[in-house]
Parts: sequence; structure tokens; C-alpha cells
Amino acid sequence: AQSVTQLGSHVSVSEGALVLLRCNYSSSVPPYLFWYVQYPNQGLQLLLKYTTGATLVKGINGFEAEFKKSETSFHLTKPSAHMSDAAEYFCAVISGNQFYFGTGTSLTVIP
Amino acid sequence: ETGVTQTPRHLVMGMTNKKSLKCEQHLGHNAMYWYKQSAKKPLELMFVYNFKEQTENNSVPSRFSPECPNSSHLFLHLHTLQPEDSALYLCASSQEPPGSNTGELFFGEGSRLTVL
Repeated sequence: AQSVTQLGSHVSVSEGALVLLRCNYSSSVPPYLFWYVQYPNQGLQLLLKYTTGATLVKGINGFEAEFKKSETSFHLTKPSAHMSDAAEYFCAVISGNQFYFGTGTSLTVIP
Repeated sequence: ETGVTQTPRHLVMGMTNKKSLKCEQHLGHNAMYWYKQSAKKPLELMFVYNFKEQTENNSVPSRFSPECPNSSHLFLHLHTLQPEDSALYLCASSQEPPGSNTGELFFGEGSRLTVL
């Protein structure tokens, strides 16, 4: 079975600082990888995804993630945090016919 | 109309009540999903429908009963629920079949259920 581990259920950064949200997956074959964001009182929205090709993937709102097969990681980054980035972030993989989601990381941006 | 609409947004029910959650997608997608979101837990896939046919029942208790009359509508009928069933129930849809490599799920805003 697949699993997705998001290290740190809560991350706080200052406005303008680097955002780094960690995601590791367990898989014997490269999966398809996703990051979703959930703003308060809303559903999940796709930030970016990796399927094949370039391992550095750019998404919406200035976020990007890099697939590192050797580390089985797909960490999400943004060079400069904005107040509007405060939300819950979910890493997910597709394997077989199912999505597997992590437990989420709540991002707080401090003014 | 937004892509995936869920009603009601909030629902409080007793353990003996019967209620239903509704989901409608305006995206022309063929697959629809119910997920349960509980605090500090990964999203739990409950049911998957592809072209109105149920393709996945993830060992969900029978007190949850899905219905998919067409590719645009999905219901979750609730009866004799337990307090531990309190959670945010998310509906999603996708253009491609479940598990395909395009994989993008489009989510509704969720129905917050509280069981007293």
C-alpha cells in the first residue's frame, strides 16, 4: 500500500520568508505526485502535479516542487511567503486507481 | 456556477435521523468521489463512481449509502450515524477515470457534518 508522509503538521514562516513543506512517499515505482491547498472553509484546490518529464514542477501562486526519486520526496517550496498563503497543504500520490493523501500541513504566515 | 457544488454546507443531526448530502458538478466530468476529512487524518476515500457505476467502496459502513443518478449528481444518504462520523465530507470529480495519470480532482467546498 502507498503512504504519504508530511513532516510537520504546522509550519510558521514570516511574510517574505522561504516556505518549505515536506512530503515523502513510499512507492516501489515512481508514482504521480500532487500538492493540493485548502483555504479555510473551502475544498481542496490543485497547486501542482508531477506525472513525467521535468522533475521541477511549477504551480500556481509561485509554488514549485521537485520530485527526487532517490529521496522519495516531493517537497513544496515558495521563495517568499505571502499572507494569502496561509492554508492547509496536502501532498498526494496516485497509485493504482486511488489517490493517497497525507495528513496535511497547516501553514501560518506571520506579518 | 462553481465547478463542484455541495449542499448543505453545514448539517447537524441526531443519531436516529436520516439526512442526505448532495453534490453537483458542472464540469462535464465522468467520475465522482466522496471523501471524509477528519482532523489530523489523511483524507479517506469512501466511494467512487465512474459513468454512474460504483467502482470503489472503501469498506464504508452501511449507514452511509451513496447514490449516483447521473454523471453530474452524487448523493450520500446518512442514517443512524455515530458521533465519530462527524467530519467534513468532500465531493470531488475528475474528467479522467479514477487513477489515470492526469489525475486532477476538482473538489467541492464540503459539507460539515456534526452528529449529536
